Amino acid sequence: DTAVSQTPKYLVTQMGNDKSIKCEQNLGHDTMYWYKQDSKKFLKIMFSYNNKELIINETVPNRFSPKSPDKAHLNLHINSLELGDSAVYFCASSQGRGNTGELFFGEGSRLTVL
Amino acid sequence: GIQVEQSPPDLILQEGANSTLRCNFSDSVNNLQWFHQNPWGQLINLFYIPSGTKQNGRLSATTVATERYSLLYISSSQTTDSGVYFCAARRGADGLTFGKGTHLIIQP
Repeated sequence: DTAVSQTPKYLVTQMGNDKSIKCEQNLGHDTMYWYKQDSKKFLKIMFSYNNKELIINETVPNRFSPKSPDKAHLNLHINSLELGDSAVYFCASSQGRGNTGELFFGEGSRLTVL
Repeated sequence: GIQVEQSPPDLILQEGANSTLRCNFSDSVNNLQWFHQNPWGQLINLFYIPSGTKQNGRLSATTVATERYSLLYISSSQTTDSGVYFCAARRGADGLTFGKGTHLIIQP
């Protein structure tokens, strides 16, 4: 019944590794997002997809690559992980490419890079 | 992009107290939301309120879009209200921009 679900919820890995976080929503929304929450709790948008099309791509290192196989899924792949990538990554979804849709968030994926 | 400022940054209250959290935003918006991040890290939707007033139990919110601010009211606080309250706003093609949050602690 979870509306926006992310896996895994916790991820501990070594510097230099590659990892992926998956996100799925069952709300029927057509727009999905990735947000990063840093150690000071600040939330910042990274990417947004509408119907598999990338519509927002903030200043994020090229090591981060989102992929949307369909409008219900948005995955985040991170190459060559660095210490500074440690954070909580939140997936979200909303309806409509326009900017009025209410966003709903997943439970977050806590990434720790050692 | 839009700037979102929240105040106060920290608030400690006794159970049963009332509180008002403020969110100022720098430009006109077409989406404004309030969230509660609980101690387990979950972001809970409280209100979607680009304008007007809404109430949900002990919580209510008011957004005055023409004056670019929103207020979240919490009445008869309970310890479960503790956590971080975020305001987030959106304008144009930008994503939802978050404020830095108000960290609320309700003491028994």
